[in-house]
Amino acid sequence: GESVGLHLPTLSVQEGDNSIINCAYSNSASDYFIWYKQESGKGPQFIIDIRSNMDKRQGQRVTVLLNKTVKHLSLQIAATQPGDSAVYFCAESYSGGYQKVTFGTGTKLQVIP
Amino acid sequence: GAVVSQHPSRVICKSGTSVKIECRSLDFQATTMFWYRQFPKKSLMLMATSNEGSKATYEQGVEKDKFLINHASLTLSTLTVTSAHPEDSSFYICSARDVTRAGRDTQYFGPGTRLTVL
Repeated sequence: GESVGLHLPTLSVQEGDNSIINCAYSNSASDYFIWYKQESGKGPQFIIDIRSNMDKRQGQRVTVLLNKTVKHLSLQIAATQPGDSAVYFCAESYSGGYQKVTFGTGTKLQVIP
Repeated sequence: GAVVSQHPSRVICKSGTSVKIECRSLDFQATTMFWYRQFPKKSLMLMATSNEGSKATYEQGVEKDKFLINHASLTLSTLTVTSAHPEDSSFYICSARDVTRAGRDTQYFGPGTRLTVL
């Protein structure tokens, strides 16, 4: 079936640096994408989303980029802080998918103080 | 706003017993809720879609007779793991959509329930 994301990589960054977390998706019908943050033992927390009619969206310290040509999604975190340490999941859905969301495999972000 | 709670947060039970997990939307109504399962260091896997007032829709490979879902009201869905076995041990997470919000497709997640079957 269609899948989002590949393996579970770990990204280590120095506190204060910018982080870029990448995600590949394979369902070309997907038209809505979300990034979630999950801390250990907790449920996913919504960070930012983007629809397929956009290629960039900015939030507070975070930016999501969407490249539909290569089916690629990225999350940029500016001035990474220790509190940003968590697993980040990209997720996708499409209008005809009965609201279902498919999660990628996740990336673990480690912030080095 | 858009707070989803789960109860219990952690449960340990013996093999063969049944366990009920509750998912509540605290400040909004949710006609649709979702149940996920997550293994350690793995992604979330959708188990079923819970629809208020109707039967749940299960994903392929998920046993509906083992994982009973009831969506009795617009703020409550329950997942009952029947005749639990050690392999059912997992982290169960629910989510709900708040259709009254801008960005209505966004799902808001509960804090999860850690089930351990001995």
